[in-house]
Amino acid sequence: AQSVTQLGSHVSVSEGALVLLRCNYSSSVPPYLFWYVQYPNQGLQLLLKYTSAATLVKGINGFEAEFKKSETSFHLTKPSAHMRDAAEYFCAVTTDTGRRALTFGSGTRLQVQP
Amino acid sequence: DVKVTQSSRYLVKRTGEKVFLECVQDMDHENMFWYRQDPGLGLRLIYFSYDVKMKEKGDIPEGYSVSREKKERFSLILESASTNQTSMYLCASSLLGGSTDTQYFGPGTRLTVL
Repeated sequence: AQSVTQLGSHVSVSEGALVLLRCNYSSSVPPYLFWYVQYPNQGLQLLLKYTSAATLVKGINGFEAEFKKSETSFHLTKPSAHMRDAAEYFCAVTTDTGRRALTFGSGTRLQVQP
Repeated sequence: DVKVTQSSRYLVKRTGEKVFLECVQDMDHENMFWYRQDPGLGLRLIYFSYDVKMKEKGDIPEGYSVSREKKERFSLILESASTNQTSMYLCASSLLGGSTDTQYFGPGTRLTVL
């Protein structure tokens, strides 16, 4: 079975500062990893996904994430935070074996201060 | 654009009532999912369906059932609602059964059971 741990349920940054949201996974087989974002009063939408091609993945709205197998991590970053980035972010994992449904982390709420 | 709609944004029911949550997708997707979202717990999979009339249990199926009579519609049923089922319910769909498929989410139904 696979799992995801997101460190930090709340992260606060200043506008223009670096955003770093942490995600560590556990899987006995090669994982596929996803970051989804949920803006207030909306459903989730995909930011980016790692599907075993390039380890550095670029997504929408200037976000990117790097798959590091040695650290079992898939941290999400953005060089410069914007007020519109305030949202909840979820990391998720799946694999090719067993159930092909996503297993989500507990989420990180990002607050951006003016 | 893929559109996933859910029948209600907010729903208030009484303990013991039978509750139906409806989800419709308009992109001919094979797979549909029901998740429950609770603060600090992220999203947890209740049921999913890979085809019409097919269903599989997720991580927390107890107290729930589902129905998929048509490809575009996936219903979640609470046979006898209880207060511990007060939560946000999110429906999602994906095109095929691949592990790397993007899931598209509806806006959610916030259910309160009194």
